[in-house]
Amino acid sequence: AQKITQTQPGMFVQEKEAVTLDCTYDTSDQSYGLFWYKQPSSGEMIFLIYQGSYDEQNATEGRYSLNFQKARKSANLVISASQLGDSAMYFCAMRVVYNNNDMRFGAGTRLTVKP
Amino acid sequence: DVKVTQSSRYLVKRTGEKVFLECVQDMDHENMFWYRQDPGLGLRLIYFSYDVKMKEKGDIPEGYSVSREKKERFSLILESASTNQTSMYLCASSLRLAEHYRNTGELFFGEGSRLTVL
Repeated sequence: AQKITQTQPGMFVQEKEAVTLDCTYDTSDQSYGLFWYKQPSSGEMIFLIYQGSYDEQNATEGRYSLNFQKARKSANLVISASQLGDSAMYFCAMRVVYNNNDMRFGAGTRLTVKP
Repeated sequence: DVKVTQSSRYLVKRTGEKVFLECVQDMDHENMFWYRQDPGLGLRLIYFSYDVKMKEKGDIPEGYSVSREKKERFSLILESASTNQTSMYLCASSLRLAEHYRNTGELFFGEGSRLTVL
């Protein structure tokens, strides 16, 4: 099964600054998708951004961008111009196209935005 | 909007009881998932279903079983609850992540069921 690693249990960032949340993955599959989810204190899981393994351009969604480095098997999330509402848990996840098509998550990073 | 509904937000059960956690989705998704979430461990996959009556074990299936008799409903069963099964349980559904990425295959989550086993 694929494995996702998030090495930063907690991160702090100043409001209006950019922050990078790290994610590395391990799989032998060639066709897969990478995802980031946000979980605020309310507990809901919010889908943020997606990157396909064959996509040549990095995905962007508003203030979120995914820095995809396939050779390094990394899929870091970059949040630009941090806001207080960005304080939350962030999970990186991966889904392979073939085999079971299931999705695995990392342990998460808790981001705190300071005013 | 996709809606994934989990039957109970909070449950308190006693050791040895049989526990049913129900999950219903309204978007005709093929795939449904059960995860448990614990601090520092992220979301761990318990079971996954890719079709009616089809299931696959995830990373931590021990002590759990599942049932998918209808496409919209995926149930998680704890045959004999134990204190180490105290956790937040998250159900999710999705389309299949397909070749050529016809869709992103993101998961849609329910609100979660917080189970306490005494």
